[in-house]
Amino acid sequence: NAGVTQTPKFQVLKTGQSMTLQCAQDMNHNSMYWYRQDPGMGLRLIYYSASEGTTDKGEVPNGYNVSRLNKREFSLRLESAAPSQTSVYFCASGVGGSIPYEQYFGPGTRLTVT
Amino acid sequence: GENVEQHPSTLSVQEGDSAVIKCTYSDSASNYFPWYKQELGKRPQLIIDIRSNVGEKKDQRIAVTLNKTAKHFSLHITETQPEDSAVYFCAAINPGGFKTIFGAGTRLFVKA
Repeated sequence: NAGVTQTPKFQVLKTGQSMTLQCAQDMNHNSMYWYRQDPGMGLRLIYYSASEGTTDKGEVPNGYNVSRLNKREFSLRLESAAPSQTSVYFCASGVGGSIPYEQYFGPGTRLTVT
Repeated sequence: GENVEQHPSTLSVQEGDSAVIKCTYSDSASNYFPWYKQELGKRPQLIIDIRSNVGEKKDQRIAVTLNKTAKHFSLHITETQPEDSAVYFCAAINPGGFKTIFGAGTRLFVKA
């Protein structure tokens, strides 16, 4: 049982390049999330997927797109990377439903955009 | 928009002392308040949570209190140990359970 996994662990992009961050969970969770973590700003929600087939914007969605590929996988795409997107990205999953429970986080992807 | 304010941003205590971290939330509909601990270079992990129908919850050396009227909740760590050194995040979640708002974090140093 690997929990939540993310690839890659590290990535360096040039401004304007695109890339996709991958996330998978094996806990049969319904909901999945993407956060970014910047120094002094905590975790900010980019997008979430309440259940397979649905996605919604969080606090900071501009410059990102997501795909809930199936129940296990939720990817985050940067179409044209900008230096302001330099951050640590965490994927998380949760049971979902109308009653909130804890979220389980992946190990993170450290992204640098030059 | 909705927000969660967390104080202090940095807290330094002597081993064995208590540590208190405070959060205030703006969305009165919030009904679930988890606390996460993040060690350097690691992922956030839940340490305790509280729901809006409960005023206090305790788990060994960790306790959380909630004042719904004041929209305020706090984390209390007693008998601190060096391994408690980490960044602690509070969060508030509204019914539906999806839009999670995190505080900015508190870096706790426990000096041996």
